[in-house]
Amino acid sequence: SQQGEEDPQALSIQEGENATMNCSYKTSINNLQWYRQNSGRGLVHLILIRSNEREKHSGRLRVTLDTSKKSSSLLITASRAADTASYFCATDHSGTGNQFYFGTGTSLTVIP
Amino acid sequence: ETGVTQSPTHLIKTRGQQVTLRCSSQSGHNTVSWYQQALGQGPQFIFQYYREEENGRGNFPPRFSGLQFPNYSSELNVNALELDDSALYLCASNSDLNEQFFGPGTRLTVL
Repeated sequence: SQQGEEDPQALSIQEGENATMNCSYKTSINNLQWYRQNSGRGLVHLILIRSNEREKHSGRLRVTLDTSKKSSSLLITASRAADTASYFCATDHSGTGNQFYFGTGTSLTVIP
Repeated sequence: ETGVTQSPTHLIKTRGQQVTLRCSSQSGHNTVSWYQQALGQGPQFIFQYYREEENGRGNFPPRFSGLQFPNYSSELNVNALELDDSALYLCASNSDLNEQFFGPGTRLTVL
C-alpha cells in the first residue's frame, strides 16, 4: 500500500504539553503533507514538506522528514484544548503525480 | 477558508439510486481530487482531474465517475449506490506549490 501510517492511533495529553505524531510510508515520495480534521469536517492543511527538505516550522508546529527511514513527525508545542482533532499525513509518491494517499490518522485529545 | 466549496452538505439516498456531488475549486487551481472518507478512517483517493481530463484513479469501481469543467467546478457521480458508499466525500484542489486544499465535504448516507 502507498498509504502513510500514523502512530500512535490515539494520544491524550494535558494542555501545555507537547504532542508528537509519527508517519511512516513505504515508497519514495515527492511531498508529504500534514492535515488536521475536527470531528468529521473538512481537512485543514497544516504543512507541506518536500522530499529534499528535512524540517519545516509553522507557528507551534514542527515537521521533520527522514527519507532514509521513510518517516515524518509532527510536533505540536504548548498544546491547547483547541488542538483536539485527528491528524493525518498524506504522501505524494514518485510517479503518481499529485495524488496523495492518507493514513488512518492520530486522534489527539488535549485535556484542559 | 480554503476557497474550496462543496454542495450539498448532507444527502440521503437509497440503495440503487444515483448521486451527483459538486465542488468548486479555487480559481487557477487546475487539479482537483476526490476522496471518500468512511467513519473512523483516513480519506481514500478516488480520482483526480487535471484540465478536464482524468489524471489518475484509485481503487474504486467504474460506477464512480467524474467531470471537471473549465470554470474550476467539478462533479463526482456515483451510480447504483450501495450501503457501503455512505461516507464523507471530499474534494481538494492543488495550488501551484502542490499543496492540497480541501472543501468541507458532503456527508452521503445510503439507506
